[in-house]
Amino acid sequence: DSGVTQTPKHLITATGQRVTLRCSPRSGDLSVYWYQQSLDQGLQFLIQYYNGEERAKGNILERFSAQQFPDLHSELNLSSLELGDSALYFCASSVALTRGGEVHYGYTFGSGTRLTVV
Amino acid sequence: DQQVKQNSPSLSVQEGRISILNCDYTNSMFDYFLWYKKYPAEGPTFLISISSIKDKNEDGRFTVFLNKSAKHLSLHIVPSQPGDSAVYFCAASESYSSASKIIFGSGTRLSIRP
Repeated sequence: DSGVTQTPKHLITATGQRVTLRCSPRSGDLSVYWYQQSLDQGLQFLIQYYNGEERAKGNILERFSAQQFPDLHSELNLSSLELGDSALYFCASSVALTRGGEVHYGYTFGSGTRLTVV
Repeated sequence: DQQVKQNSPSLSVQEGRISILNCDYTNSMFDYFLWYKKYPAEGPTFLISISSIKDKNEDGRFTVFLNKSAKHLSLHIVPSQPGDSAVYFCAASESYSSASKIIFGSGTRLSIRP
């Protein structure tokens, strides 16, 4: 269990509609990162929030927006959905792992939301 | 513009042999590199990392090699086991920091055959 919770796990919706994906980061973690994984594509960075403020932006479409609330959970809003928006959407928290006496920084990911636009 | 490239979408290796996954990057500001493993229906999980001050890092069966001059890194898995069958993502960051954005490659699907 990564400690990062994403809901819903699956979402099927029609073109033109709007959906909201939700993420609760690891307890106490101030950062939330959103990534999109389309078919045969890598993990595309969308946006990062830190303690309620937008910290970095990637290849996020104007139809997409996100926010992080005071309780640190985050929502990714996708509107005017198109068939090409069908993808896995992952949320991640920062993590520091100690292995072999070394500290490794990275992300811990939630299990993702699979969005299917029909 | 892909800053992190994994040019092999798939790789098949016999159980017990060595698996070598390759990754190239273009951004000379990248200072920290990671490998993630992903099973179907799960989020990616951290596997191993290396900072630019090193050229090799080992963790059990997994070794990551970094060639800064060639902007190339590789992940070696030896011996390969059936449970290693997964998608492997190479990733890079400009900073060895918990707050730094990480850029991922497109992944390589590794299949371990009996």
